[in-house]
Amino acid sequence: DAGVIQSPRHEVTEMGQEVTLRCKPISGHDYLFWYRQTMMRGLELLIYFNNNVPIDDSGMPEDRFSAKMPNASFSTLKIQPSEPRDSAVYFCASSSPGAVGNTIYFGEGSWLTVV
Amino acid sequence: GNSVTQMEGPVTLSEEAFLTINCTYTATGYPSLFWYVQYPGEGLQLLLKATKADDKGSNKGFEATYRKETTSFHLEKGSVQVSDSAVYFCALRIGTYKYIFGTGTRLKVLA
Repeated sequence: DAGVIQSPRHEVTEMGQEVTLRCKPISGHDYLFWYRQTMMRGLELLIYFNNNVPIDDSGMPEDRFSAKMPNASFSTLKIQPSEPRDSAVYFCASSSPGAVGNTIYFGEGSWLTVV
Repeated sequence: GNSVTQMEGPVTLSEEAFLTINCTYTATGYPSLFWYVQYPGEGLQLLLKATKADDKGSNKGFEATYRKETTSFHLEKGSVQVSDSAVYFCALRIGTYKYIFGTGTRLKVLA
């Protein structure tokens, strides 16, 4: 089985530019999570979806961040405009009630640097 | 509130040394407990889990026991290898999908 697939793996962009991160969850998983990891704040949950519907977006830092899940196999996290403090690793993860112990499975992350 | 506290790193050990990484938690209800591992440049991978008190999770020589009386889930390994060098995250899950992660403990094993 393919795992959670994220793209791009690495992104360097200039401040003010739009950044779009993409995620393909594991087939059959109906929960999808976006996390952000920084040295200062550790791993933070930004938003999660169930059956393509956003359930909890309380972790989204501000209006510059938005996430969508147009179908069961694709999600995006968009930052517009980007700022240097958005530099972090962004992880997508997925799960389902059928996954062993409701375990969440992480992608390899998108490493974002905003200069 | 719900929280996870794990020992700060980095932890530096020689190969074949005994490893303990402490993790304690605060939670309402009865959480499930997890250890995830993150190798350099990769995402988090589930290492082991325990879903109820006194359960012992184990994998790849690592083990941890869910201790309700001390609200702890310490990670142990009897003999570490260089390949175990990574960041280890303790986590709890409340309900179905609300995960709370610790800040991570970096382990460095020297040959």
